[in-house]
Amino acid sequence: KQEVTQIPAALSVPEGENLVLNCSFTDSAIYNLQWFRQDPGKGLTSLLLIQSSQREQTSGRLNASLDKSSGRSTLYIAASQPGDSATYLCAVKAGANSKLTFGKGITLSVRP
Amino acid sequence: GAVVSQHPSWVICKSGTSVKIECRSLDFQATTMFWYRQFPKQSLMLMATSNEGSKATYEQGVEKDKFLINHASLTLSTLTVTSAHPEDSSFYICSALRGEGHRTQYFGPGTRLTVL
Repeated sequence: KQEVTQIPAALSVPEGENLVLNCSFTDSAIYNLQWFRQDPGKGLTSLLLIQSSQREQTSGRLNASLDKSSGRSTLYIAASQPGDSATYLCAVKAGANSKLTFGKGITLSVRP
Repeated sequence: GAVVSQHPSWVICKSGTSVKIECRSLDFQATTMFWYRQFPKQSLMLMATSNEGSKATYEQGVEKDKFLINHASLTLSTLTVTSAHPEDSSFYICSALRGEGHRTQYFGPGTRLTVL
């Protein structure tokens, strides 16, 4: 059974800092991995999706990497801003039509 | 990008009543939709997979007679929480699969259910 872990559960950083959010998964046989953002009381916004054949994806100040063999992914946020404050969820998929297995998320607070 | 809507965004009901939540894909057809439940500070847990024109597939531990799912059209799936109890209070999120090949999953904004 696939398990996705995100540690720590919460993180507080000063504005402008570069930071890394970690995600680990137990079964390396994944189809893709996705990072989401969730604001309080809201749904999910997809940030980056990495297919199993890819090693990283970039969008603006965000960069996500994937190391299937070690069961790890990182989300790098450059020059953090207060508007980046949210919960960041990592999720993996075993196949094209398989369900997403989510981690519990990391709640990020960027202090002005 | 693709849009998935949910209605209502929040609902408060009395214990014992039934509540229906709608999930719509607004600009694409979705043969497959998913229903998730999220408790505070917990991850999203898949409840069931809804397939258009067929019965939903429920995850282990989810009561199909309590959480009724109907996917009657390619753009609409409904989740009915029957005889709701306070422990059913949660954030319910739907998502819809779009496209062929590398199918992308789009999420709705969620519905906050509070059962008194």
